[in-house]
Amino acid sequence: ILNVEQSPQSLHVQEGDSTNFTCSFPSSNFYALHWYRWETAKSPEALFVMTLNGDEKKKGRISATLNTKEGYSYLYIKGSQPEDSATYLCALISSGSARQLTFGSGTQLTVLP
Amino acid sequence: DGGITQSPKYLFRKEGQNVTLSCEQNLNHDAMYWYRQDPGQGLRLIYYSQIVNDFQKGDIAEGYSVSREKKESFPLTVTSAQKNPTAFYLCASSANQGRAFFGQGTRLTVV
Repeated sequence: ILNVEQSPQSLHVQEGDSTNFTCSFPSSNFYALHWYRWETAKSPEALFVMTLNGDEKKKGRISATLNTKEGYSYLYIKGSQPEDSATYLCALISSGSARQLTFGSGTQLTVLP
Repeated sequence: DGGITQSPKYLFRKEGQNVTLSCEQNLNHDAMYWYRQDPGQGLRLIYYSQIVNDFQKGDIAEGYSVSREKKESFPLTVTSAQKNPTAFYLCASSANQGRAFFGQGTRLTVV
């Protein structure tokens, strides 16, 4: 079983605060890393697909970085808004012939107005 | 509209019965996945398929079976051997290990 870990498990921040979450994974199994946002009563939606060490991706106020050598990725949200409240999932696509997509348990973010 | 469709949204099963969850996609994706979510937990991989007529066990395959006879379809059967089948089930598909697209999910309850 591939061990993809996310921290913290949950987080409450005030509107306007900036925040970040961590995803760690076994670097020897790395092929690609995904970040998803999962809002209540909806399906998960992809934020970023990251494949190269040192990758930095940005979408509006959300950005992500990747370190494949040490096996971690950070997701940053600048100036959090209540609509950012959701569970943020990272997922590892493993190397090798079978491209397994394994999810971490997620970080549940609540932005308080 | 292109997308991935799961049915039914809610499903009730009696103990000892097999039940099949449907997953169909018209995105022309090669890869398809089945996940299970339990309360307070993340998505755990049950089975996945990279190509038609081929599939691999995920982390929690015991008590489940799948088939991939067509590119568009990846049905999941929850068998009577699955000891605790009550859960939320999500199907996903992707192209070339790109971002995954998800269905709306099926909530299965054993009564």
